[in-house]
Amino acid sequence: QQKVQQSPESLIVPEGGMASLNCTFSDRNSQYFWWYRQHSGEGPKALMSIFSNGDKKEGRFTAHLNKASLYVSLHIKDSQPSDSALYFCAVSRTNAYKVIFGKGTHLHVLP
Amino acid sequence: EAAVTQSPRNKVAVTGGKVTLSCNQTNNHNNMYWYRQDTGHGLRLIHYSYGAGSTEKGDIPDGYKASRPSQENFSLILELATPSQTSVYFCASGGTERLFFGHGTKLSVL
Repeated sequence: QQKVQQSPESLIVPEGGMASLNCTFSDRNSQYFWWYRQHSGEGPKALMSIFSNGDKKEGRFTAHLNKASLYVSLHIKDSQPSDSALYFCAVSRTNAYKVIFGKGTHLHVLP
Repeated sequence: EAAVTQSPRNKVAVTGGKVTLSCNQTNNHNNMYWYRQDTGHGLRLIHYSYGAGSTEKGDIPDGYKASRPSQENFSLILELATPSQTSVYFCASGGTERLFFGHGTKLSVL
């Protein structure tokens, strides 16, 4: 059974700072990795995906994947108060397969 | 943006009662999912489906049944609700890319 673990549980960064979120997974057959963000009172929304080893940048967000190390991360540059939310790492073997989420990281960006 | 609608938004049930949570998607996605979200546990997969007529067990299926009568609809059924099933339930749909979530159903079992 796939295990997806995220760290830290909670993270506080100042406005304009860098936030780094970590995720490890257990299934070496995992192929698809997504980051989701959930604001209070809403359902999670997809933020970005990464499918190949290395870095992928989208605006202020950079995802990093190392399949051999069973590790994926998300870095948020120039953090804004609106980035304050619960961030989930999601992993699946294929796109047409069950998607397993981690427990999430609470990010708080202080003005 | 893809639309996933859950009903009801809030539900209070009694222990031992039957509860049905409904989900409708207009995205023509093949895959649909039911998750529950609890503090300290994140999103845990209960059941999922690859298409009409199919249901698969997720990681925590005990005490839950699922039904996918059509491409658009996916229901989660609690035949004998227990207080431990008090939670927020999210339905999601997905094709070959990201999942799209509904707004959630807050269920309280007293």
